[in-house]
Amino acid sequence: DAGVIQSPRHEVTEMGQEVTLRCKPISGHNSLFWYRQTMMRGLELLIYFNNNVPIDDSGMPEDRFSAKMPNASFSTLKIQPSEPRDSAVYFCASSLGQGSVGYTFGSGTRLTVV
Amino acid sequence: DQQVKQNSPSLSVQEGRISILNCDYTNSMFDYFLWYKKYPAEGPTFLISISSIKDKNEDGRFTVFLNKSAKHLSLHIVPSQPGDSAVYFCAARYGNKLVFGAGTILRVKS
Repeated sequence: DAGVIQSPRHEVTEMGQEVTLRCKPISGHNSLFWYRQTMMRGLELLIYFNNNVPIDDSGMPEDRFSAKMPNASFSTLKIQPSEPRDSAVYFCASSLGQGSVGYTFGSGTRLTVV
Repeated sequence: DQQVKQNSPSLSVQEGRISILNCDYTNSMFDYFLWYKKYPAEGPTFLISISSIKDKNEDGRFTVFLNKSAKHLSLHIVPSQPGDSAVYFCAARYGNKLVFGAGTILRVKS
């Protein structure tokens, strides 16, 4: 198994541009999570899906952030318009779902908004 | 409102000695606690976990202790090795969500 795959690994964009981050979870995993890592706040949960349905998006910071999961093997996190304070490492993780203790994380996307 | 806190941003330990990483939490509804390790440019990887009904879990050089009355857990690494140098995240599970602390950078000096 290739694990959780995220793309791109690095993204540099100008303020105001749209940014789309992509994630392919582990096959058979029912739950998918988007996290953001910053120095100040560590790993923050932005949103999670169960069986492709968004369950909790209370961590999404603003309306500029949106996430979709059109099928079991693909999810996107979009920021439109992007701002410099969005610069962070964004991680996607997946798990077998309810009852599963831990997650498997992807390698992350380092986003820099200039 | 940070429900999981790691108050030490960094820790430096000599190779062969014990590393102790600490974590405090506020929510009594957490039912599992986990430790993840993260190397630069990689995602966090699962290290060890403990159920809220246990007070100790051991896996090789790694032991996690849970003190529910104090809402405190700790990770002990004995003996510490240079390859253990990484960021360690404490996490707590509520429902299907993991809440993470801010992380502690561990440096093991040879």
